[in-house]
Amino acid sequence: DIQMTQSPSTLSASLGDRVTITCRASQSVSSWLAWYQQKPGKAPKLLIYKASSLESGVPSRFSGSGSGTEFTLTISSLQPDDFATYYCQQYNSYPYTFGQGTKLEIK
Amino acid sequence: EVQLVESGGGLVQPGGSLRLSCAASGFTFSIYSMSWVRQAPGKGLEWVSYISSSTGTIYYADSVKGRFTISRDNAENSLYLQMISLRDEDTAVYYCATDGGSTSFQHWGQGTLVTVSS
Repeated sequence: DIQMTQSPSTLSASLGDRVTITCRASQSVSSWLAWYQQKPGKAPKLLIYKASSLESGVPSRFSGSGSGTEFTLTISSLQPDDFATYYCQQYNSYPYTFGQGTKLEIK
Repeated sequence: EVQLVESGGGLVQPGGSLRLSCAASGFTFSIYSMSWVRQAPGKGLEWVSYISSSTGTIYYADSVKGRFTISRDNAENSLYLQMISLRDEDTAVYYCATDGGSTSFQHWGQGTLVTVSS
């Protein structure tokens, strides 16, 4: 199985900050990497697919990059609605696997 | 508007069985592959099972293989997960999601809670 490792596990930041979350795969997943945002008690929401494609309706302050085994999710200027938990997920091969999550908190 | 509505969760004793359903609307269900994803309380996301649009291809996570069965009824726009021999560690919110190839899990239901406890 492909293991996905996110860093950091927790991130404290302020409104307007630029933040980056990193996701590493234990083997190449090409560009088959998605990012999700999840708020407490809610289902995950797709933000980025194929490593860098922005899902329809997602604000342009979210961006993704990377390929192979190293990926990043960047939020260019934090807004109040962005404080949540973020997960990366590989869909190169089954079993699809998720990172452990990064909780983005208000500093 | 795409809608996925899960049902069938509840409290069950270890060793018991439960059948989850996911009712789909707002899109052509029959051409979409689907997956179940679960989340234990306070934990991360875990993919559980996949079924192709025509039911020709099915996959399971090792943790549920032999105990869970995924199925679908394209005429009824419904997805199912039959769970037997349930264990404490199966306690989780279970989500159904469209498994759309290049977009992965694009649409999700609101989830249904399964609690396995004596």
